[in-house]
Amino acid sequence: GAGVSQSPRYKVTKRGQDVALRCDPISGHVSLYWYRQALGQGPEFLTYFNYEAQQDKSGLPNDRFSAERPEGSISTLTIQRTEQRDSAMYRCASSPGLGEQFFGPGTRLTVL
Amino acid sequence: SQQGEEDPQALSIQEGENATMNCSYKTSINNLQWYRQNSGRGLVHLILIRSNEREKHSGRLRVTLDTSKKSSSLLITASRAADTASYFCATADLGNEKLTFGTGTRLTIIP
Repeated sequence: GAGVSQSPRYKVTKRGQDVALRCDPISGHVSLYWYRQALGQGPEFLTYFNYEAQQDKSGLPNDRFSAERPEGSISTLTIQRTEQRDSAMYRCASSPGLGEQFFGPGTRLTVL
Repeated sequence: SQQGEEDPQALSIQEGENATMNCSYKTSINNLQWYRQNSGRGLVHLILIRSNEREKHSGRLRVTLDTSKKSSSLLITASRAADTASYFCATADLGNEKLTFGTGTRLTIIP
């Protein structure tokens, strides 16, 4: 399809395990964004890339969270030593530039 | 952190009526956007208004922006059952591409 895809759609893990969430943006989109959304809240910014360069990571909660986009296309958000408070919907979006962002379906992460 | 606040938090109206949602924000912005989120689904972009614009229309949607009051409103005319969803405003600050979302308005259209 032509939209943003994310995998897995659902992830259940035990506290202390590492998880990797994948985002495949719309082909040709320069910018890629990661957000986290708690139930009943709006998305909160985590980090974003222009091409392969990470432009802003000010929203990453702590050093257990990292992201990469090595070839300027697919991106991976990694959470190390997961904690229960990391449980949330993780959303990826891409954009051709300034303006509208196209969101993927999200990955629902549950940490037991 | 959430930048904006939507008002009201929840709104229920009869099908066919108009729905108005408001959003307030705190910083100087490049643009303001409205998104819709259906239950259990992704976010869909509705409309973008730039800081030098005051009003914009798209189909049954009308958005206004008052930068002096740091506020925006979204009007949905002739509402339909399919409009039932949560609506979020999001701002892009000057010199920054990230979006800061509000807390959302839960809109329910009663058939």
